[in-house]
This record gives sequence, structure tokens and C-alpha cells, in this order.
Amino acid sequence: DQQVKQNSPSLSVQEGRISILNCDYTNSMFDYFLWYKKYPAEGPTFLISISSIKDKNEDGRFTVFLNKSAKHLSLHIVPSQPGDSAVYFCAASGDTDKLIFGTGTRLQVFP
Amino acid sequence: DGGITQSPKYLFRKEGQNVTLSCEQNLNHDAMYWYRQDPGQGLRLIYYSQIVNDFQKGDIAEGYSVSREKKESFPLTVTSAQKNPTAFYLCAGWTVCRNEQFFGPGTRLTVL
Repeated sequence: DQQVKQNSPSLSVQEGRISILNCDYTNSMFDYFLWYKKYPAEGPTFLISISSIKDKNEDGRFTVFLNKSAKHLSLHIVPSQPGDSAVYFCAASGDTDKLIFGTGTRLQVFP
Repeated sequence: DGGITQSPKYLFRKEGQNVTLSCEQNLNHDAMYWYRQDPGQGLRLIYYSQIVNDFQKGDIAEGYSVSREKKESFPLTVTSAQKNPTAFYLCAGWTVCRNEQFFGPGTRLTVL
């Protein structure tokens, strides 16, 4: 049973536009959420996180929104750049040190 | 230069052989993790260790073994019992101060 779901395996966005990546979760005990970016044959790198006490966290071009009632979070990238092309994973944790990862969304930003 | 080191980057083994993947860290992480990545399946947790000489199974521990004799080292052995060992393996540590997992560069294991 997939506790963290990224239902869009891929997304294509024009440079300069907004990229919106979505993530849904089922476990109401999750209280901390992270987004990672991954290039092929490399380890994921941390992008941004949000605690369940917030509904928005912003860091430069990246903003994460959390809707606890819908068990949904999204990552907004504005403006999108070609270097943003990668696979993005959302992850969630609850009362343990374990992270549960989604299956990833491949973002392609084209000129 | 600090961080999490995984070696080698690429590893080839014959079917039926055990193979050990190295993971070393100098970031003083208490907790360390092993994941495997397969196309379309995200990152799946194999084993994790929260303190030295202790470790717990993750979601897909069958066919794998680990040890944590030192805080800095968390090697993963892929045994011949693992039915589909060809994958990209990632080691991570938990940074409490930043509340995130920090990943190594990964090892791609191919079993021929």
C-alpha cells in the first residue's frame, strides 16, 4: 500500500512558467514533509520541507504548500529553468526517523 | 570534503555471489539508511540503523544484510538470496539539526 503517492510520472513545462508537482499521502500521522530533487545516477538532494504546523514554506523559487485536510502537498517552482529538469520525490515522516518516499515525478523544462 | 561516500559508483557481479556495498560518513549522523531505487518505484527502504550495533529492517529487507559496528560506517551486503539485485542503491544519513536525510551519490549494482 503506497502511503505517499505522486500520481503524475512526468511533467513538461516551458522555461519561465510555473511548475507544479503534486503529492498525496494517506497516513494522518505524517507531520513532516520534504521534497528532493534527483538527477540520473546521483543521490537525491534536499530541496525544501514543511512541518504540519504550517501550510506554506518558501525558499527562493521553490514553495511548498500543505493541505492537511486533503492530505495533499504541492511544490511550485517559479520561474522554471532548464536546470530544474530532474526527478522530484516527495517524502513524509511521522513519529519515527523513517522517510516514506513517493514514486517521483520527472520534470522537463524546455526552452 | 565531507559527506556520505559510497563506493564504488558501478559494481558488477555474477549471479549467486554476495556483494558488499560501502557507505561511509563523516557528518556524525546517528541514523543511517539504505534504499534501492528501481524505475517507477521511487526509493524503497531496505535497512536503517539509529545507533551503533543496532539496525532495523525496512520494507524490502529480504536478501540483504547490514552491520553497524562504527558510527561512520554502514555497509550493505546483497546476498545471493536477493532475487532481483540489479538496482541503484542509495545510502543516507539523518541530520537532526536540519531534520533532513542527506544522501550519498549511490552505487549502481548490476548482476550478470
